[in-house]
Amino acid sequence: QSALTQPASVSGSPGQSITISCTGTSSDVGGYNSVSWYQQHPGKAPKLMIYDVNNRPSGVPDRFSGSKSGNTASLTISGLQAEDEGDYYCTSYTSSDTRVFGGGTKLTVL
Amino acid sequence: QVQLVESGGGVVQPGRSLRLSCAASGFTFSNYAIHWVRQAPGKGLEWVAVISYDGSKNLYADSVKGRFTMSRDNSKNTLYLQMNSLKTEDTAVYYCARVGGWYAAFDIWGQGTMVTVSP
Repeated sequence: QSALTQPASVSGSPGQSITISCTGTSSDVGGYNSVSWYQQHPGKAPKLMIYDVNNRPSGVPDRFSGSKSGNTASLTISGLQAEDEGDYYCTSYTSSDTRVFGGGTKLTVL
Repeated sequence: QVQLVESGGGVVQPGRSLRLSCAASGFTFSNYAIHWVRQAPGKGLEWVAVISYDGSKNLYADSVKGRFTMSRDNSKNTLYLQMNSLKTEDTAVYYCARVGGWYAAFDIWGQGTMVTVSP
């Protein structure tokens, strides 16, 4: 199972919006709504930010939103804040009944 | 509070074995499937394995299939990852992570335990 494709890095200024893409195939992202997004700060465990494509867990700011079109899922962060800086990973359920992660995207808040 | 705590990591030589544990608390452990996810130093997350809520179903990544075995003891609220024939490329932080349903997202993560495979 090949990793999902994410941009290596994105950046934005405070208050701006950014979008991180996550491209897979019809056997993973395109075939299921089991796409989720995680934020990871250095030395910390990942934290769930979006589940089932576009749902936010309790406690996650509504600045974070998710969407999907075809084989590509996206995470959008609006009103960027300094604490949003970190690594972001997407993951999807697959037709092999397993999971696959994206390579990760480093978000820099300028 | 709801938490997962991994243990058992350490330094081991290539070809040797190691067993990781993941202790759960704050929720009904026997109701949830659990995954192992690893992260090599400076690298991204890699899915490793999953076990169903009752231990009847296991699935593994191709990179560890035949070498790693996941099991659970619901009476002890504990999960295990038996790692045999370790390779240098298995060096990583290993996280256990809970899912709310078979297809669900990883909603609770442990803090991770470091495994270093080195001659």
